[in-house]
Amino acid sequence: LAKTTQPISMDSYEGQEVNITCSHNNIATNDYITWYQQFPSQGPRFIIQGYKTKVTNEVASLFIPADRKSSTLSLPRVSLSDTAVYYCLVGGLGRSNDYKLSFGAGTTVTVRA
Amino acid sequence: ETGVTQSPTHLIKTRGQQVTLRCSSQSGHNTVSWYQQALGQGPQFIFQYYREEENGRGNFPPRFSGLQFPNYSSELNVNALELDDSALYLCASSSQGSGANVLTFGAGSRLTVL
Repeated sequence: LAKTTQPISMDSYEGQEVNITCSHNNIATNDYITWYQQFPSQGPRFIIQGYKTKVTNEVASLFIPADRKSSTLSLPRVSLSDTAVYYCLVGGLGRSNDYKLSFGAGTTVTVRA
Repeated sequence: ETGVTQSPTHLIKTRGQQVTLRCSSQSGHNTVSWYQQALGQGPQFIFQYYREEENGRGNFPPRFSGLQFPNYSSELNVNALELDDSALYLCASSSQGSGANVLTFGAGSRLTVL
C-alpha cells in the first residue's frame, strides 16, 4: 500500500496559484494518482486524476514526474470558495488482483481576500 | 443522475454493539468502496466490492464486513464496536474500468461509540 505524504496546511490569497505536492515513494506500477477536495460535513469531491506526465481539466492541473514518486496539484487563480481540505489518493489493482487505495492526511488550503 | 446516498446520517451506539450502514450507488456505477474518516484525518480505505464480491481490503479487522447487492447498493457492518470506531464512514461508488480511482462519495454516516 503506497504511503502518501502531503503538507498539513497552505495559505494563499485570491487570484494566486496554489501548488500542493504529494509524495508517494513506493507507488506501484498499476497505481493512479487522484486528487479530491473536501468541505466540512461533505464527502470528498473528485478534482483530477493522472498516471504520468501532465493532466489538465477545467479546474486544475496535475503534474507527475517520470519517476512518479510525487505529484503536484495546481489550482490556478484561487477564490475564497477554494478554501477546503485537499487529499491525494494513490492506488489501483495490486499484484494479487485486489485493489489497494491510500489517501494522504490532507492539506488544508486557506484562501484569504 | 442521482448521487451516492448514505443512511443513517448520524447514529450513536455503545461499545460491544453492532452497526449496519447503508449506501446507494450513483446511477451507472457498479463498484462501491467504504472508508473510515476520523476527525481531522484523511479517509482510510476499508474495502471495495465489485460484482457482489470483495476485491480489495485495507488494514481493517474482520469485524468490519460488507455486502454489495445486485442493484449495486451496499452495506457496511461493524461488530463488537470499540470506542475508536467513532468516525465518519464514507461510501463511494465508481465504474470499474473507467478511471481507476474516480470516486463519487456520499456525505457519510457519523458514528459515535460511547
